[in-house]
Amino acid sequence: AQSVTQLGSHVSVSEGALVLLRCNYSSSVPPYLFWYVQYPNQGLQLLLKYTSAATLVKGINGFEAEFKKSETSFHLTKPSAHMSDAAEYFCAVTPRGNNNDMRFGAGTRLTVKP
Amino acid sequence: DTGVSQNPRHKITKRGQNVTFRCDPISEHNRLYWYRQTLGQGPEFLTYFQNEAQLEKSRLLSDRFSAERPKGSFSTLEIQRTEQGDSAMYLCASSSTGWDQPQHFGDGTRLSIL
Repeated sequence: AQSVTQLGSHVSVSEGALVLLRCNYSSSVPPYLFWYVQYPNQGLQLLLKYTSAATLVKGINGFEAEFKKSETSFHLTKPSAHMSDAAEYFCAVTPRGNNNDMRFGAGTRLTVKP
Repeated sequence: DTGVSQNPRHKITKRGQNVTFRCDPISEHNRLYWYRQTLGQGPEFLTYFQNEAQLEKSRLLSDRFSAERPKGSFSTLEIQRTEQGDSAMYLCASSSTGWDQPQHFGDGTRLSIL
């Protein structure tokens, strides 16, 4: 069975500062990994996905994530935070060959201070 | 691509009543998923359809819950004899065939049980 752990339920950064949201996965088979963002009272929007191509994945809104097998990590970063980045971020994992079995982390709420 | 549509957006009902939610997936997607999300948590998988066939159900899906996708297009999720613990956001997602294809989410239906 696979799972993800998001370290830090709340992260606060200043506008213009680096954003780093941590995600570690556990999977018995090679995984696919995803980051989603959720704004209040809305569904989840896909930011980026890792499906075994390049380990550094670029997504929308200036976000990127790097798959590190040795560290079983898939941390999400953005060089410079904007106020509009304030939201809940979810890391998710599926085993390769079974994308209906998607497991989500508990989420990290990002606050951006002016 | 008009996105995944869910109706209603909000539902308030008294304990013991039945409720039904509808999900219209992205038209070319043959896979459809239902999730439940409670406050401060990531989505939890409930059930999954490929076309009209319900292929997997979570143990979270008690006998009071039933989902259908009669023509392989829209889906309904019904909860009978609602309980306080059913209060949550119910999210629908869809994806196309292909194990590396991400799930696209609707904005959800928020259920409040009085």
